[in-house]
Amino acid sequence: DAKTTQPTSMDCAEGRAANLPCNHSTISGNEYVYWYRQIHSQGPQYIIHGLKNNETNEMASLIITEDRKSSTLILPHATLRDTAVYYCIVRSSGYALNFGKGTSLLVTP
Amino acid sequence: GAVVSQHPSRVICKSGTSVKIECRSLDFQATTMFWYRQFPKQSLMLMATSNEGSKATYEQGVEKDKFLINHASLTLSTLTVTSAHPEDSSFYICSANPGQTYNEQFFGPGTRLTVL
Repeated sequence: DAKTTQPTSMDCAEGRAANLPCNHSTISGNEYVYWYRQIHSQGPQYIIHGLKNNETNEMASLIITEDRKSSTLILPHATLRDTAVYYCIVRSSGYALNFGKGTSLLVTP
Repeated sequence: GAVVSQHPSRVICKSGTSVKIECRSLDFQATTMFWYRQFPKQSLMLMATSNEGSKATYEQGVEKDKFLINHASLTLSTLTVTSAHPEDSSFYICSANPGQTYNEQFFGPGTRLTVL
C-alpha cells in the first residue's frame, strides 16, 4: 500500500471548518483513499473514502486532487467532539488498513 | 454502519495465564477479520488477518503460537494471548470486512489487556 504523510497535529476553533491534508504521492490506480478517526481509547471510526471523485457524507467531505497525489478531509463545522486522531490511509479493496501516525486534531472552544 | 463488538472490554490477568478476546460482527457476516494492537501513544499495528475457515495470516514479527486466532464462523473471531507477559499489555482492536467488494471496514471498541 502507498504511504501517506500527514501533519502531526492541528488546531481548529469550534464551529470553524477543519481542513486536514494528506499526501499520498505513490498511490496506485486501484487504491482508495480512506479516512478514519480514533477518539482516545476507542476503536477507529470510519469517516469517508474515495477513489478519484470528491465525496461528501453526513460527517465530512473528501477532496482528492486530480493527480490523486493528495487529498483533504473537511469537517465543515468542527465541534469539541471532533477532537481525535485522524488517519489517512490508502489501500486496495479488501485488504487490511495500515495506519500511520495520523493527525491529532484539537478543537478548541 | 455495521456493528462490531469485542469482549471483554477490559481484562487484567497474571503473568503466565492465557486470555481470550472475542470479536463479533453483529449484523453482517465477515469473511475476513483483522486484529490490531496499539501501545500507548502509538498507532494501530496490524497483527494478523483472519479468514473464516482457514488459518490466519500473521504479520512479520507476530508470533503465531503466542497469539492464537480462530475464525470458526462468519460472525466470530477469537484472539488468544497465550502465556501473557507484561509486555503484552496493550489495546487490542479487531475489525471486520463484510466482503471483498465492500470497501468499508468496521472496528470493534477494543480490549484493554493489562498483564501484571
